[in-house]
Amino acid sequence: DTAVSQTPKYLVTQMGNDKSIKCEQNLGHDTMYWYKQDSKKFLKIMFSYNNKELIINETVPNRFSPKSPDKAHLNLHINSLELGDSAVYFCASSREQGQYNEQFFGPGTRLTVL
Amino acid sequence: GIQVEQSPPDLILQEGANSTLRCNFSDSVNNLQWFHQNPWGQLINLFYIPSGTKQNGRLSATTVATERYSLLYISSSQTTDSGVYFCAVVPYGGSQGNLIFGKGTKLSVKP
Repeated sequence: DTAVSQTPKYLVTQMGNDKSIKCEQNLGHDTMYWYKQDSKKFLKIMFSYNNKELIINETVPNRFSPKSPDKAHLNLHINSLELGDSAVYFCASSREQGQYNEQFFGPGTRLTVL
Repeated sequence: GIQVEQSPPDLILQEGANSTLRCNFSDSVNNLQWFHQNPWGQLINLFYIPSGTKQNGRLSATTVATERYSLLYISSSQTTDSGVYFCAVVPYGGSQGNLIFGKGTKLSVKP
């Protein structure tokens, strides 16, 4: 069974479109995250979220919005896609929010904006 | 903010060789993880090692938190070890637990 799963695996779309990436974890974790990996393979946090608090990295444009229907899901919605949004997006989860928790990552979603 | 530096940036090995990858961080940390990103892009957890030494098969890791570095040892390397190895930390006092990643070490193991 996959612990952290993401759909779709690949997403190709036109500039200006709105798209969503879904993430689900079956680990019973309380906290979920979104990370972005750019073309140089650099990984950077975008959001962390648990049932109490959404922490947004200040550099993330407000076109990006996480939506959590329940504790096991954290979806990423992106409005008005731009060329620079092309990247691999990883979802992750940890047992709790805080500094002492191991994070587990999903397989990634490769987004290409044309 | 905290800086995470990994060395070397690139490493080419012959199958069967041993290697050591290094991760230096500029401030105190409460969490450190090593990941392997395979050629298919998957991020695989190797170690959760904020301090001390752990071993898992041919891989082992040591973190000396007081001296702000961690080492990943790969013994008897195999072609399947190829990929990018990332070190990631949560700075001391980082209450939300967000990982700060290094730029990675790209490892190529030749048959």
